[in-house]
Amino acid sequence: GEDVEQSLFLSVREGDSSVINCTYTDSSSTYLYWYKQEPGAGLQLLTYIFSNMDMKQDQRLTVLLNKKDKHLSLRIADTQTGDSAIYFCAQGEYGNKLVFGSGTILRVKS
Amino acid sequence: DAGVTQSPTHLIKTRGQQVTLRCSPISGHKSVSWYQQVLGQGPQFIFQYYEKEERGRGNFPDRFSARQFPNYSSELNVNALLLGDSALYLCASSLGYGYTFGSGTRLTVV
Repeated sequence: GEDVEQSLFLSVREGDSSVINCTYTDSSSTYLYWYKQEPGAGLQLLTYIFSNMDMKQDQRLTVLLNKKDKHLSLRIADTQTGDSAIYFCAQGEYGNKLVFGSGTILRVKS
Repeated sequence: DAGVTQSPTHLIKTRGQQVTLRCSPISGHKSVSWYQQVLGQGPQFIFQYYEKEERGRGNFPDRFSARQFPNYSSELNVNALLLGDSALYLCASSLGYGYTFGSGTRLTVV
């Protein structure tokens, strides 16, 4: 079945780069997403990547996709205290449900 | 443009009661999905509707039901509430990918 796994916690210093990793099982998923959730809030779509791409860059965010290993990563350059949040990886096909990981807590120390 | 709006934002119910949660999608989005997020976990898929028809259902009991109206807004109903139904209920709308989430309804069952 579909499953998405993430590491639980990541701590970085302000100004450093953060790399959040995710592995997924469903090779038919056409879209892979990264969402951000701040305390008490809903989910904010950060970026997504099509399964036929290897990399996508959007300002401070870089997404890398390794389809062979079913591994997705999100790199945040110049991490700021405002980036402290829970980050969710999700997989899905066009028009279908999303399957989420359990989230990675990112803590940014000033 | 308004994003995905959900109401109410918070709700406290007693075990055995029934609850109705509401969602208005982004204008032009015909697909609405519902997710349940229990504290400390990733969102779990409950329902998806497209053009007023159910397109998918997650592994939830029949106490959970939903519908979509001609204006594409949606309601999620939960009957015979259990303590374990306490969660953040998230609604998302999309054009097929890139789901946008609302801020959610925090349901507490006592």
